[in-house]
Amino acid sequence: DVKVTQSSRYLVKRTGEKVFLECVQDMDHENMFWYRQDPGLGLRLIYFSYDVKMKEKGDIPEGYSVSREKKERFSLILESASTNQTSMYLCASRDSSYNEQFFGPGTRLTVL
Amino acid sequence: AQKVTQAQTEISVVEKEDVTLDCVYETRDTTYYLFWYKQPPSGELVFLIRRNSFDEQNEISGRYSWNFQKSTSSFNFTITASQVVDSAVYFCALSDPGGSEKLVFGKGTKLTVNP
Repeated sequence: DVKVTQSSRYLVKRTGEKVFLECVQDMDHENMFWYRQDPGLGLRLIYFSYDVKMKEKGDIPEGYSVSREKKERFSLILESASTNQTSMYLCASRDSSYNEQFFGPGTRLTVL
Repeated sequence: AQKVTQAQTEISVVEKEDVTLDCVYETRDTTYYLFWYKQPPSGELVFLIRRNSFDEQNEISGRYSWNFQKSTSSFNFTITASQVVDSAVYFCALSDPGGSEKLVFGKGTKLTVNP
């Protein structure tokens, strides 16, 4: 089974802090994704990565950056957290041969 | 532009009832994939099914069935004899044109199955 893990289930940070959300997958998938999920808005794609050191902006990249130094790990970075970044963050990975994405358990981030 | 519409925001049923979750999509591409995911209260999205645009056969998996109709751009999901454990948010999704890696999600339907 595909296993996607995220570093924290719950996280509380203060405005202006630099925040790192980590995602690790154990199936050697090429593609990885970061989404945020908000009530009434569904899932929105922040960034994705085709492969190591490659990244593409999604639909809402403002205020975020990403890092993919190793194939199994994809990090989402909030350079200076703001209250409007309070959300559920979901990481996913995908094998390039198939289309379905496999998701981690999510990180619920609260920015005070 | 690609779009997925799940018109039902919330549905509430009593256990053992059948329930259908609607999904309507828009795309100009001729090759695409459609998906359903389940998000239980624990939060993790669970992949349920993938269907490609050339395969309009209905699919049945236990109590779950899916009806794909290209003529109406719909990919509906039916749960037969619903159970409390089916309570979750269900998302329909569509692959980006050209078979790229991105998925476009609907806003989800929250299903509550009451005992």
